[in-house]
Amino acid sequence: SYVLTQPPSVSVAPGQTARITCGGNNIGSKSVHWYQQKPGQAPVLVVYDDNDRPSGIPERFSGSNSGNTATLTISRVEAGDEADYYCQVWDSSSDHHYVFGTGTKVTVL
Amino acid sequence: EVQLVESGGGLIQPGGSLRLSCAASGFTVSSNYMSWVRQAPGKGLEWVSIIYSGGSTYYADSVKGRFTISRDNSKNTLYLQMNSLRAEDTAVYYCARMTTVTTETNWFDPWGQGTLVTVSS
Repeated sequence: SYVLTQPPSVSVAPGQTARITCGGNNIGSKSVHWYQQKPGQAPVLVVYDDNDRPSGIPERFSGSNSGNTATLTISRVEAGDEADYYCQVWDSSSDHHYVFGTGTKVTVL
Repeated sequence: EVQLVESGGGLIQPGGSLRLSCAASGFTVSSNYMSWVRQAPGKGLEWVSIIYSGGSTYYADSVKGRFTISRDNSKNTLYLQMNSLRAEDTAVYYCARMTTVTTETNWFDPWGQGTLVTVSS
């Protein structure tokens, strides 16, 4: 089955830029989506189809995807961005399976 | 407003059965792809099952043969029937609507608030 690997944690100072990677074999050929999950809450979609944002999501959130790595970038980080972030793809090699990354905890210093 | 509300979670003994419900409002369940995703305590997200608008269903290997996804069009509600429950099925179970562009391009949005299932003796 397809595996998505994320760093367990990323720390960033307020106002700086956080970059969260999602590694997978030839992930650049897939459509990648990103979710934010705050403690005790359900996940929320923040980026879909590599680099599009749902309505209501700040422009500070952006995505890219190439080769074996997809990246979620959070610019001008705010305290409210502290959360777990997950990438997700559709696994074409399995029977209609959907795969989530291992998750990254973003800490705002 | 699009909303999903799960119910039916609780404490169940190993080997037991439980049925989760996900009541939808603001859209029609049968016209959309709908999924269940779970999260064990302190762990990451794990996709569990999907039902396509045409009625086809698929499952993660970890639950295949034990869980069944279904929907009631008259109630606009999604279900997950869970049988032969194990300790490792302990998790918060979320239902989610899927937005679909192509077979390869679909994402989960929105999500319900989740319901906790605890499998323990």
